[in-house]
Amino acid sequence: GAVVSQHPSRVICKSGTSVKIECRSLDFQATTMFWYRQFPKQSLMLMATSNEGSKATYEQGVEKDKFLINHASLTLSTLTVTSAHPEDSSFYICSATSGGPSYEQYFGPGTRLTVT
Amino acid sequence: DAKTTQPPSMDCAEGRAANLPCNHSTISGNEYVYWYRQIHSQGPQYIIHGLKNNETNEMASLIITEDRKSSTLILPHATLRDTAVYYCIGRTKNTGTASKLTFGTGTRLQVTL
Repeated sequence: GAVVSQHPSRVICKSGTSVKIECRSLDFQATTMFWYRQFPKQSLMLMATSNEGSKATYEQGVEKDKFLINHASLTLSTLTVTSAHPEDSSFYICSATSGGPSYEQYFGPGTRLTVT
Repeated sequence: DAKTTQPPSMDCAEGRAANLPCNHSTISGNEYVYWYRQIHSQGPQYIIHGLKNNETNEMASLIITEDRKSSTLILPHATLRDTAVYYCIGRTKNTGTASKLTFGTGTRLQVTL
């Protein structure tokens, strides 16, 4: 299957600072990328859908000014957690799709964010 | 997308077949059944999907009942590395835009020696 990478894999930051997470599709062009969040022992929750060159669509209850998403190219989307707080500590996972006939989603390995 | 129901956990002995059930009684005619799994602290991995015919690939087999209200994912010879949470998801396909995946709570499969 297609490969999606995330960077960093782990990050620790202080409360009040901002953190940027990158999601890259390595061997295909991703017209759409999705950002998920997963708290311990819970399932993945979709945060937002981003299409290349347009504004992201956020799920209900997700603050767009706190979780900034940029999908500037067909291989890169970034999620910036602004003014992070301990309750933002979570596992952030992206997925990407080429939008081809099968519309399969390929997932990145995830980023573990810890806010102290 | 259809709501799916899965048992919260299952055990399977290594080398035996693991049969993971999923109920999707409200699935519509154009919704596929997708299976993903998530090994601890990793991103989900695609396993298989089907519409109404049984499907098989190198990872697993998918058996869908004739009325499409339920399905079973079969790992023919489970290994310790198959220990993971398995998610069954109903999803429309080829809608013109990339459709969302809605993850439920899944089945935690524990493969033991």
